[in-house]
Amino acid sequence: DTGVSQDPRHKITKRGQNVTFRCDPISEHNRLYWYRQTLGQGPEFLTYFQNEAQLEKSRLLSDRFSAERPKGSFSTLEIQRTEQGDSAMYLCASSFSNEQFFGPGTRLTVL
Amino acid sequence: GQQLNQSPQSMFIQEGEDVSMNCTSSSIFNTWLWYKQDPGEGPVLLIALYKAGELTSNGRLTAQFGITRKDSFLNISASIPSDVGIYFCAGQNDSWGKLQFGAGTQVVVTP
Repeated sequence: DTGVSQDPRHKITKRGQNVTFRCDPISEHNRLYWYRQTLGQGPEFLTYFQNEAQLEKSRLLSDRFSAERPKGSFSTLEIQRTEQGDSAMYLCASSFSNEQFFGPGTRLTVL
Repeated sequence: GQQLNQSPQSMFIQEGEDVSMNCTSSSIFNTWLWYKQDPGEGPVLLIALYKAGELTSNGRLTAQFGITRKDSFLNISASIPSDVGIYFCAGQNDSWGKLQFGAGTQVVVTP
Protein backbone atom coordinates (compact mmCIF):
# COMPACT_ATOMS: atom_id res chain seq x y z
CA ASP A 1 0.00 0.00 0.00
CA THR A 2 1.59 3.28 -1.09
CA GLY A 3 -1.01 5.64 0.37
CA VAL A 4 -0.75 7.97 3.35
CA SER A 5 -0.56 6.05 6.61
CA GLN A 6 -1.28 7.25 10.13
CA ASP A 7 -0.55 5.72 13.49
CA PRO A 8 -2.28 5.03 15.79
CA ARG A 9 -5.76 4.75 14.27
CA HIS A 10 -7.37 5.25 17.67
CA LYS A 11 -6.15 6.83 20.88
CA ILE A 12 -7.97 7.13 24.18
CA THR A 13 -6.30 9.26 26.81
CA LYS A 14 -7.08 11.00 30.05
CA ARG A 15 -7.32 14.76 30.28
CA GLY A 16 -3.94 16.30 30.97
CA GLN A 17 -1.90 13.58 29.25
CA ASN A 18 0.32 14.18 26.23
CA VAL A 19 -0.28 12.34 22.96
CA THR A 20 1.73 12.04 19.76
CA PHE A 21 0.50 10.99 16.33
CA ARG A 22 2.55 9.96 13.34
CA CYS A 23 1.92 10.43 9.62
CA ASP A 24 3.83 8.81 6.77
CA PRO A 25 3.11 10.58 3.47
CA ILE A 26 3.10 9.14 -0.01
CA SER A 27 6.69 8.75 -1.17
CA GLU A 28 8.05 11.77 -3.06
CA HIS A 29 5.24 14.05 -1.87
CA ASN A 30 7.01 17.14 -0.61
CA ARG A 31 3.98 18.71 1.07
CA LEU A 32 2.33 17.36 4.19
CA TYR A 33 -0.80 18.72 5.89
CA TRP A 34 -2.57 18.21 9.21
CA TYR A 35 -6.31 18.74 9.60
CA ARG A 36 -8.74 18.21 12.46
CA GLN A 37 -12.30 17.00 11.95
CA THR A 38 -15.10 16.98 14.50
CA LEU A 39 -18.40 15.17 14.16
CA GLY A 40 -20.66 16.59 11.49
CA GLN A 41 -18.05 18.98 10.12
CA GLY A 42 -15.54 19.03 7.33
CA PRO A 43 -11.81 18.89 8.06
CA GLU A 44 -10.24 22.09 9.37
CA PHE A 45 -6.69 23.04 8.47
CA LEU A 46 -4.08 22.99 11.24
CA THR A 47 -0.65 23.27 9.62
CA TYR A 48 1.44 22.26 6.64
CA PHE A 49 5.03 21.52 5.69
CA GLN A 50 6.99 21.75 2.49
CA ASN A 51 9.81 19.30 2.97
CA GLU A 52 10.97 19.95 6.56
CA ALA A 53 9.83 23.59 6.71
CA GLN A 54 6.57 24.40 8.50
CA LEU A 55 5.07 27.05 6.20
CA GLU A 56 1.71 27.86 7.78
CA LYS A 57 -0.06 27.33 11.09
CA SER A 58 -3.74 27.89 11.79
CA ARG A 59 -4.98 29.89 14.74
CA LEU A 60 -6.60 26.59 15.77
CA LEU A 61 -3.12 25.34 16.61
CA SER A 62 -2.75 26.48 20.20
CA ASP A 63 0.51 26.48 22.14
CA ARG A 64 -0.28 22.95 23.31
CA PHE A 65 0.04 21.67 19.76
CA SER A 66 3.33 21.14 17.99
CA ALA A 67 4.13 19.50 14.69
CA GLU A 68 7.43 18.44 13.22
CA ARG A 69 8.67 16.93 10.01
CA PRO A 70 12.31 16.07 10.51
CA LYS A 71 14.18 15.25 7.31
CA GLY A 72 11.11 16.07 5.26
CA SER A 73 9.64 12.59 5.42
CA PHE A 74 7.22 11.49 8.17
CA SER A 75 5.59 14.01 10.48
CA THR A 76 4.47 13.97 14.11
CA LEU A 77 1.73 15.97 15.78
CA GLU A 78 1.96 16.29 19.55
CA ILE A 79 -0.76 17.58 21.85
CA GLN A 80 0.34 18.45 25.37
CA ARG A 81 -1.99 18.57 28.39
CA THR A 82 -4.93 17.26 26.41
CA GLU A 83 -8.40 18.70 27.00
CA GLN A 84 -11.78 17.16 26.27
CA GLY A 85 -12.22 19.66 23.46
CA ASP A 86 -9.27 18.08 21.68
CA SER A 87 -11.36 14.97 20.98
CA ALA A 88 -11.57 14.74 17.20
CA MET A 89 -10.28 12.92 14.14
CA TYR A 90 -6.80 14.11 13.18
CA LEU A 91 -6.17 13.74 9.47
CA CYS A 92 -2.92 13.91 7.57
CA ALA A 93 -2.67 14.57 3.83
CA SER A 94 0.20 14.79 1.39
CA SER A 95 0.65 16.23 -2.09
CA PHE A 96 3.09 17.25 -4.81
CA SER A 97 0.46 19.34 -6.62
CA ASN A 98 -2.94 20.89 -5.87
CA GLU A 99 -4.42 17.47 -5.13
CA GLN A 100 -4.16 16.36 -1.52
CA PHE A 101 -4.44 12.71 -0.57
CA PHE A 102 -5.60 11.85 2.92
CA GLY A 103 -4.67 9.12 5.34
CA PRO A 104 -7.22 7.14 7.39
CA GLY A 105 -6.92 9.49 10.37
CA THR A 106 -6.29 9.09 14.09
CA ARG A 107 -9.40 9.21 16.26
CA LEU A 108 -8.55 10.87 19.60
CA THR A 109 -10.86 10.55 22.59
CA VAL A 110 -9.99 12.54 25.69
CA LEU A 111 -11.77 11.35 28.83
CA GLY B 1 -14.92 28.51 11.06
CA GLN B 2 -15.77 27.27 7.58
CA GLN B 3 -16.48 29.71 4.78
CA LEU B 4 -18.06 27.26 2.38
CA ASN B 5 -21.79 26.62 2.33
CA GLN B 6 -22.56 23.13 1.13
CA SER B 7 -26.08 21.93 0.40
CA PRO B 8 -28.09 19.94 0.89
CA GLN B 9 -26.99 18.71 4.29
CA SER B 10 -28.36 15.24 3.58
CA MET B 11 -30.14 13.35 0.83
CA PHE B 12 -32.18 10.16 0.90
CA ILE B 13 -32.53 8.73 -2.58
CA GLN B 14 -33.50 5.53 -4.29
CA GLU B 15 -31.02 3.42 -6.18
CA GLY B 16 -30.83 4.55 -9.78
CA GLU B 17 -31.68 8.19 -9.09
CA ASP B 18 -29.33 11.09 -9.81
CA VAL B 19 -27.84 13.17 -6.99
CA SER B 20 -26.83 16.82 -7.12
CA MET B 21 -25.09 18.88 -4.48
CA ASN B 22 -23.41 22.25 -4.52
CA CYS B 23 -21.02 24.44 -2.68
CA THR B 24 -20.88 28.24 -2.52
CA SER B 25 -18.30 30.56 -1.09
CA SER B 26 -18.09 34.23 -0.21
CA SER B 27 -14.58 34.30 -1.65
CA ILE B 28 -12.91 33.20 -4.86
CA PHE B 29 -11.03 29.92 -5.12
CA ASN B 30 -8.50 28.89 -7.74
CA THR B 31 -9.12 25.18 -7.30
CA TRP B 32 -12.16 23.15 -6.27
CA LEU B 33 -11.89 19.58 -5.07
CA TRP B 34 -14.59 17.02 -4.23
CA TYR B 35 -14.01 14.23 -1.71
CA LYS B 36 -16.02 11.27 -0.39
CA GLN B 37 -15.63 10.03 3.17
CA ASP B 38 -16.79 6.75 4.65
CA PRO B 39 -17.31 6.38 8.42
CA GLY B 40 -14.03 6.12 10.32
CA GLU B 41 -11.92 6.75 7.23
CA GLY B 42 -10.15 9.67 5.64
CA PRO B 43 -11.59 11.60 2.67
CA VAL B 44 -10.95 10.13 -0.78
CA LEU B 45 -10.39 12.49 -3.69
CA LEU B 46 -13.03 12.18 -6.42
CA ILE B 47 -12.53 15.11 -8.78
CA ALA B 48 -10.29 18.18 -9.02
CA LEU B 49 -11.24 21.35 -10.95
CA TYR B 50 -8.74 24.02 -11.98
CA LYS B 51 -10.45 26.49 -14.32
CA ALA B 52 -13.61 28.60 -14.06
CA GLY B 53 -16.34 26.99 -16.14
CA GLU B 54 -14.53 23.64 -16.27
CA LEU B 55 -16.76 20.56 -16.40
CA THR B 56 -15.03 17.31 -15.45
CA SER B 57 -16.30 13.73 -15.26
CA ASN B 58 -15.05 10.67 -13.42
CA GLY B 59 -17.26 7.70 -14.25
CA ARG B 60 -20.76 8.50 -12.99
CA LEU B 61 -19.52 11.67 -11.29
CA THR B 62 -19.59 15.08 -12.93
CA ALA B 63 -18.39 18.28 -11.33
CA GLN B 64 -18.24 21.89 -12.48
CA PHE B 65 -16.15 24.87 -11.44
CA GLY B 66 -18.52 27.85 -11.33
CA ILE B 67 -17.85 30.72 -13.70
CA THR B 68 -17.65 33.21 -10.82
CA ARG B 69 -15.08 30.94 -9.10
CA LYS B 70 -17.23 31.11 -5.98
CA ASP B 71 -19.19 27.90 -6.46
CA SER B 72 -19.03 24.31 -7.62
CA PHE B 73 -21.45 21.44 -8.01
CA LEU B 74 -21.19 17.66 -8.05
CA ASN B 75 -23.61 15.32 -9.76
CA ILE B 76 -23.81 11.56 -9.33
CA SER B 77 -25.80 9.77 -11.98
CA ALA B 78 -27.64 6.46 -11.57
CA SER B 79 -26.77 6.06 -7.89
CA ILE B 80 -25.81 2.66 -6.48
CA PRO B 81 -25.61 1.49 -2.85
CA SER B 82 -21.85 2.07 -2.63
CA ASP B 83 -22.41 5.78 -3.27
CA VAL B 84 -23.49 6.03 0.38
CA GLY B 85 -21.22 8.35 2.32
CA ILE B 86 -20.46 11.97 3.05
CA TYR B 87 -19.36 14.17 0.18
CA PHE B 88 -17.23 17.23 0.82
CA CYS B 89 -16.33 20.15 -1.36
CA ALA B 90 -13.03 21.91 -0.74
CA GLY B 91 -11.67 25.17 -2.10
CA GLN B 92 -8.06 26.18 -2.43
CA ASN B 93 -6.66 29.69 -2.91
CA ASP B 94 -2.93 29.10 -3.21
CA SER B 95 -1.32 26.41 -5.27
CA TRP B 96 -0.51 23.49 -3.01
CA GLY B 97 -1.94 25.42 -0.02
CA LYS B 98 -4.51 24.61 2.64
CA LEU B 99 -7.98 23.38 1.73
CA GLN B 100 -11.16 24.92 3.11
CA PHE B 101 -13.96 22.38 3.40
CA GLY B 102 -17.72 22.54 3.40
CA ALA B 103 -19.69 20.78 6.13
CA GLY B 104 -20.55 17.87 3.85
CA THR B 105 -23.58 16.30 2.20
CA GLN B 106 -24.64 12.92 3.57
CA VAL B 107 -26.01 10.64 0.87
CA VAL B 108 -28.13 7.63 1.74
CA VAL B 109 -29.16 5.27 -1.06
CA THR B 110 -32.05 2.89 -0.54
CA PRO B 111 -32.61 -0.16 -2.76
